[in-house]
Amino acid sequence: QVQLVESGGGVVQTGRSLRLSCTVSGFSFSYYAMHWVRQAPGKGLEWLAVISDDGSNKYSADSVKGRFIISRDNSKKTLFLQLNSLRAEDTAVYYCARGGYEPKYYFDYWGQGTLVTVSS
Amino acid sequence: QSALTQPPSVSGPPGQRVTISCTGSSSNIGAGYDVHWYQQLPGTAPKLLIFSKSLRPSGVPDRFSASKSGTSASLAITGLQAEDEADYYCQSYDNSLSGWVFGGGTKLTVL
Repeated sequence: QVQLVESGGGVVQTGRSLRLSCTVSGFSFSYYAMHWVRQAPGKGLEWLAVISDDGSNKYSADSVKGRFIISRDNSKKTLFLQLNSLRAEDTAVYYCARGGYEPKYYFDYWGQGTLVTVSS
Repeated sequence: QSALTQPPSVSGPPGQRVTISCTGSSSNIGAGYDVHWYQQLPGTAPKLLIFSKSLRPSGVPDRFSASKSGTSASLAITGLQAEDEADYYCQSYDNSLSGWVFGGGTKLTVL
C-alpha cells in the first residue's frame, strides 16, 4: 500500500536550519509530483511547495520563498524540504503529500507529519 | 486569512444532513479550478475525501458529496454519524497566488 513517512522534525532555535525527509513506498515515486503542506498548532493547512516528478521544476509559496527549498532523490524514493532561517511562526506539523504539478491536481496521499518547533 | 473561506464550525444530530460552504474568488474557484475536500480526524493527517467534481476515493461512503457554482463550492454530508466528527478543508488552485490554496477548515460536531 502507499506509504509516506516524514522524519527530521524537532526543536530548533530561531534562525537555524533543519532538513525534513519524506520516504515513500507502494508507488512509483518518480512518476509523481510531490508537495509539502504544513499545519501550525490549532490552525489550518498551508501549502508550501511542489516539485515535479523528475525534480526539474519547483515552486514554493511566497510565505517561504527563498527560505525553504524542496528537492528529491528518485533513486532513494525520498522527498526533502530544507528549512532555513527558521522563525517562531514556522512552528508546525509538516506533511508531505502526493499530488500533481498542474493546478487541477489534489493531494491523494499524505504522510503522518513531522513536528517542527522553533523556539528562542 | 485564507484564499478560501469556510465557516469555522457546523453541527447536527446523528442522521441529519449538513453542508459546509467554501467561498473563493475569481482567481481560484471562479477561474474554473476544481475544488477538492479533505477530512482530518483528531490527531491524524488529512485524508482526501472528494476530488474533481464530486468523485470519491475508494472507501469513502456515498453519504459525502460536493458541488460547485460560480465562486463557491460546498460539501454535503447526509445521514450524519458520530465518526464524521472531524475538521473538513476545501482546496483549490489560485492563479494570482500561483499556488494551491486551502480553506481555513470547518469543525463538524455531531451532537
